[in-house]
Amino acid sequence: EVQLVESGGDLVKPGGSLRLSCGVSGMNFIAAWMSWVRQAPGKGLEWVGRIKSKGSGGTTDYGAPVKGRFTISRDDSKNTLYLQMDSLKTEDTGLYYCTHLIYAGAYGVGEPQLASWGQGTLVTVSS
Amino acid sequence: DIVMTQSPLSLPVTPGEPASISCKSTQSLLHSNGNNFLDWYLQKPGQSPQLLIYLGSNRASGVPDRFSGSGSGTDFTLKISRVETEDVGIYYCMQGLQTPRTFGQGTKVEIK
Repeated sequence: EVQLVESGGDLVKPGGSLRLSCGVSGMNFIAAWMSWVRQAPGKGLEWVGRIKSKGSGGTTDYGAPVKGRFTISRDDSKNTLYLQMDSLKTEDTGLYYCTHLIYAGAYGVGEPQLASWGQGTLVTVSS
Repeated sequence: DIVMTQSPLSLPVTPGEPASISCKSTQSLLHSNGNNFLDWYLQKPGQSPQLLIYLGSNRASGVPDRFSGSGSGTDFTLKISRVETEDVGIYYCMQGLQTPRTFGQGTKVEIK
């Protein structure tokens, strides 16, 4: 069974930095594409960004609100996904989910589905 | 970026009755390979979201057959043939054609 466990959420001041981690088990992490999705309190889901497996180039993509401030990385030796968040703003407050992506169909075409989700870790940006 | 618009945003339902949610995109999600890159996710109260329907009309593993997805291009629909109390939650559509990925605003389904 795939398990995703996020950690690192905290209260941080505007302009500060934070690094989230997502520990992964139950799957071949080296081959996995992963993403982060966030949810502001009482609001809907927002895609933060995605990292491909190293075998697929290891490239990253980000949503406009976080581009240039957030960085997704991975340590395949530790089965861990990271989200480095810099220059944090109050609007970055929310629950951050780590997700595992798989192609449920149409392999290699378009973007894969968000097949598994962690329970989330809470980030609060406030002075 | 592709903008996803859902309606209604709130849907009171009666158990045993059908329910329907619409999702529209500002750009066609129909790929030249014939697939529509539109997925549906359900976030039950207090839980993380889960994949419900992928590529427009395919049920994810373990999803009951009362759920069905249809549509093509820019107009999509999620239907529940007979709503059960366990179906309450917020339903999101999401385009998978390109990055940045974008979600609809969500439709809150609740029991009348």
